[in-house]
Amino acid sequence: DAMVIQNPRYQVTQFGKPVTLSCSQTLNHNVMYWYQQKSSQAPKLLFHYYDKDFNNEADTPDNFQSRRPNTSFCFLDIRSPGLGDTAMYLCATSRETGTTVTDTQYFGPGTRLTVL
Amino acid sequence: AQSVSQHNHHVILSEAASLELGCNYSYGGTVNLFWYVQYPGQHLQLLLKYFSGDPLVKGIKGFEAEFIKSKFSFNLRKPSVQWSDTAEYFCAAYGGSQGNLIFGKGTKLSVKP
Repeated sequence: DAMVIQNPRYQVTQFGKPVTLSCSQTLNHNVMYWYQQKSSQAPKLLFHYYDKDFNNEADTPDNFQSRRPNTSFCFLDIRSPGLGDTAMYLCATSRETGTTVTDTQYFGPGTRLTVL
Repeated sequence: AQSVSQHNHHVILSEAASLELGCNYSYGGTVNLFWYVQYPGQHLQLLLKYFSGDPLVKGIKGFEAEFIKSKFSFNLRKPSVQWSDTAEYFCAAYGGSQGNLIFGKGTKLSVKP
């Protein structure tokens, strides 16, 4: 009964080789988020989708893109990964965004990406 | 800009010791507060949350947190820790104009058996 599923759990790629990480949810939540978490650091929001509306954080590099083909799935595309992109990538969902009681975010297990 | 501070990077306790992890947030308006836990090799899980009402919030696994508005604090407590509480604990807040969940840097808790 997993609610937020991420695949793969571990991914190794080469410098500059495009990689796609996937996230799916069974909660039927409106909002899906992608976070980057480097070792011993807090999760950092990259972007989120509210339904089909894409919201990019100002400091998210252009190298990071996202797609949400339907409510259940969201993808993170890294077009040309650099060594500094080695991190855990977390997907999360919430019913709404903002400051209401439905804003609790539910996290997936993460994809650990290593760029060689 | 809104920020969340966690005072301790790494806390080491023996089993049965009491725990208090500090968390302070910077925003002065209405704020929603969370504590998440990340056990080794596992995903972030919600421990407890505060939106309004009783400032003493009880969560899972015997954890509780107290919202003190005057101190901008939301400290996490547990009266008696167990070895299985070894994990990283993240405080997070929603509030203000940003509308995003802002995380603290986390506190790693190691409980010695």
